Amino acid sequence: RKEVEQDPGPFNVPEGATVAFNCTYSNSASQSFFWYRQDCRKEPKLLMSVYSSGNEDGRFTAQLNRASQYISLLIRDSKLSDSATYLCVVNGDSGNTGKLIFGQGTTLQVKP
Amino acid sequence: GAGVSQSPSNKVTEKGKDVELRCDPISGHTALYWYRQRLGQGLEFLIYFQGNSAPDKSGLPSDRFSAERTGESVSTLTIQRTQQEDSAVYLCASTPHSSFQNEQFFGPGTRLTVL
Repeated sequence: RKEVEQDPGPFNVPEGATVAFNCTYSNSASQSFFWYRQDCRKEPKLLMSVYSSGNEDGRFTAQLNRASQYISLLIRDSKLSDSATYLCVVNGDSGNTGKLIFGQGTTLQVKP
Repeated sequence: GAGVSQSPSNKVTEKGKDVELRCDPISGHTALYWYRQRLGQGLEFLIYFQGNSAPDKSGLPSDRFSAERTGESVSTLTIQRTQQEDSAVYLCASTPHSSFQNEQFFGPGTRLTVL
């Protein structure tokens, strides 16, 4: 079983749609959770951290369910510029090394 | 300020040759990470440096892979006797210090193709 699992998609949605991505992780000791965005042939960049209480940044909402080891990302009012691959990321050990474990990524294509 | 830089951006080599990939982290960042991304896959952790030491090398796939860091700055990843399965994008990231909470800043990667 992969340590971080995501549906690879692609998700094809029209502009203005709401879309949700899900992710599960296997290490119950993980302490930090993130969504990174990766554009085609570019490096990943942090989109947002994910907190237990849930957090929102503009059109983006992230949720964490520790009991189910499940993370989600909701994008409202999708824009063409949201087209990218979204990587679910968890810290990879119970220590403090910062080692990250990445999911395969979910590809989003927003159409006009 | 300057971000993480990597060189070369692209490298094509023949099977069996050795290659060296370079990473220049953001100035002052003490933690440095190497990852590998195969086509259509997520990133795989390779190795982590804190300063010039590598406390976690658990992701290096074989003894053909090695890395070093000097001056708490530049890092080089060396792959000896390259194989076709080594073809991937090799990404370097840095953070001000190692912490499970820190954002990692990635370089643009080196795209390695082994023929």
